[in-house]
Amino acid sequence: GQNIDQPTEMTATEGAIVQINCTYQTSGFNGLFWYQQHAGEAPTFLSYNVLDGLEEKGRFSSFLSRSKGYSYLLLKELQMKDSASYLCAVRDGDYQLIWGAGTKLIIKP
Amino acid sequence: ETGVTQTPRHLVMGMTNKKSLKCEQHLGHNAMYWYKQSAKKPLELMFVYNFKEQTENNSVPSRFSPECPNSSHLFLHLHTLQPEDSALYLCASSQERGVAHEQFFGPGTRLTVL
Repeated sequence: GQNIDQPTEMTATEGAIVQINCTYQTSGFNGLFWYQQHAGEAPTFLSYNVLDGLEEKGRFSSFLSRSKGYSYLLLKELQMKDSASYLCAVRDGDYQLIWGAGTKLIIKP
Repeated sequence: ETGVTQTPRHLVMGMTNKKSLKCEQHLGHNAMYWYKQSAKKPLELMFVYNFKEQTENNSVPSRFSPECPNSSHLFLHLHTLQPEDSALYLCASSQERGVAHEQFFGPGTRLTVL
């Protein structure tokens, strides 16, 4: 079946680094997305990986290993505003995204 | 206005009511989506429209009825809902069928069914 797994909740300290993992089992693979969703708001796009390796975008980086069905989102120099849920999604085919349940990240001072 | 807008932002309805959710995108995209988001559950894709044609219907109950009159507007008509339908309903849009094209989300409609 189709499955995306990510931790339910993580806690980190302001200024630190945190890595949010995502593992997936899908029938097809046309790329992996990370989205950020603040409470009560819409998800917003963070990153997209379709080839193996690391994609860096400012304080955020995303890594993909297709052979392992594994990705992570790395957040550096954490700020309080990074407190949010982080959603991992795999594109399976033309349109459909298979979504994880999201990881709630709590940043403490 | 820019981006993806949704109205209403909050909706409370009884099980016998009929209501509609509206979504409008100002991004020139040609694919639009309805999602259901329940607490601590993955986003559930409900419907996909590409160039006004419905291309996905993920076994959604008939009490949810989508309408896409043009590539900028998407509606979700609701009737005889159940309390378990209470959730956040998100609309999204994307450009073409391109694999790399991310989906842009609206702020959602928080629906409560009494």
